[in-house]
Parts: sequence; structure tokens; C-alpha cells
Amino acid sequence: LAKTTQPISMDSYEGQEVNITCSHNNIATNDYITWYQQFPSQGPRFIIQGYKTKVTNEVASLFIPADRKSSTLSLPRVSLSDTAVYYCLVGEIPYNTDKLIFGTGTRLQVFP
Amino acid sequence: DADVTQTPRNRITKTGKRIMLECSQTKGHDRMYWYRQDPGLGLRLIYYSFDVKDINKGEISDGYSVSRQAQAKFSLSLESAIPNQTALYFCATSEFGSYNEQFFGPGTRLTVL
Repeated sequence: LAKTTQPISMDSYEGQEVNITCSHNNIATNDYITWYQQFPSQGPRFIIQGYKTKVTNEVASLFIPADRKSSTLSLPRVSLSDTAVYYCLVGEIPYNTDKLIFGTGTRLQVFP
Repeated sequence: DADVTQTPRNRITKTGKRIMLECSQTKGHDRMYWYRQDPGLGLRLIYYSFDVKDINKGEISDGYSVSRQAQAKFSLSLESAIPNQTALYFCATSEFGSYNEQFFGPGTRLTVL
């Protein structure tokens, strides 16, 4: 079971870059690393997913070192609307779907 | 995501009642999931289904049952509701080959008195 560890909370200011790191020491060979964003009383929203090295989309970047035991979600120039909870998941649907765990996530607060 | 809808959005019921939460999707995805979220906590997987004839238990299936009536519909039932099943319930879908990318519905807030 690839358990993940993230900071409970982070604070930032508008316009800054935010990096949230997730530790997953027991990641399996076939596991993917996936990040979600959740606003209060809404369903999580997929942000980005990767297997190794770096992945970038219009919203974020995901950095994964060679040993894959951690990953870093990078949000460039955050705004107030990025205030949310961010979850790091490790696993691979369908092979270990029931092991894909949303932990307590990282609560990001962005200040003006 | 409007492509995944859940009914009802809010429900208050009493201990011992049978409750059904429904999920419909227009995304054409084969895979569907039910999660619950308790205040301040992450989501926990209840059941999941990879096609109409496939049903699998998740982390916390006790006290729940599901029905996959069609590719687009996945229902969650609480046979005899109890207060500790008070939670926010989310349905999600995913596409074959998309790994862990899931699309979530708006949620159903269930209160069991």
C-alpha cells in the first residue's frame, strides 16, 4: 500500500509560486501519481498526473524525481481562487483501485 | 462537472430507513465509483464498477450496497441507515486507459438522525 504524506496546510500570497510536496516511499513500479483539487462542498477535480520526470499542463506542473519516492505539485502565480485542499494519490486504476487513497490532503490558503 | 449528476443533492432521513442515492453520467465512461467524505477528512471508496456486470467493494463497503443498472447509472443504497453514515457522498467516473483521472459529481449531503 503506497501511503502518501503531505503537509497539512500551507499559506501563500497572490502571485507567488506554490510547491506542495508529497512523500510516497512505498510506491509500486506501476503506480501513477495523481493530484486533485477540492473546494468546500464540491467534488474533487483532477489537476495533473504523471509517472516520472516532469509533467506540465495549463494549470500546474508535476515534478517526479528518478526514485519516484516523492512528487511536487507546482502551482505558478496562485490567485485567491486557488484556495482549496490538494490531494496526492498513488496507485493505478484498475489494478489497485481499492488502494487509491485520498488522505487528508494539504489545505492551501492564498492571501491577497 | 455537469456530466456527472447526483440525486438527491441533500437528504435528511431517520435511523433504520432505506435510502438510495443515484448517480448518472453522460460522459460515456465505463467505470463508476462511490465515495464518502466526512468533515475535515479525505474521501473513502465505498464501491466501484468497471462495467455493468462488474461490482467491487472498496475500503468501507459495510452497510452499503450498489446497483449498476446501465453503463450510465450507478446507485448506492443504505439498507438501514445509521447516524454514522451521515456524510457527503460523491459519485465519480473514469475512462478506460486514463489511469487515475476521475470525474466527480456535485455530491449528496446525507444526514441520518
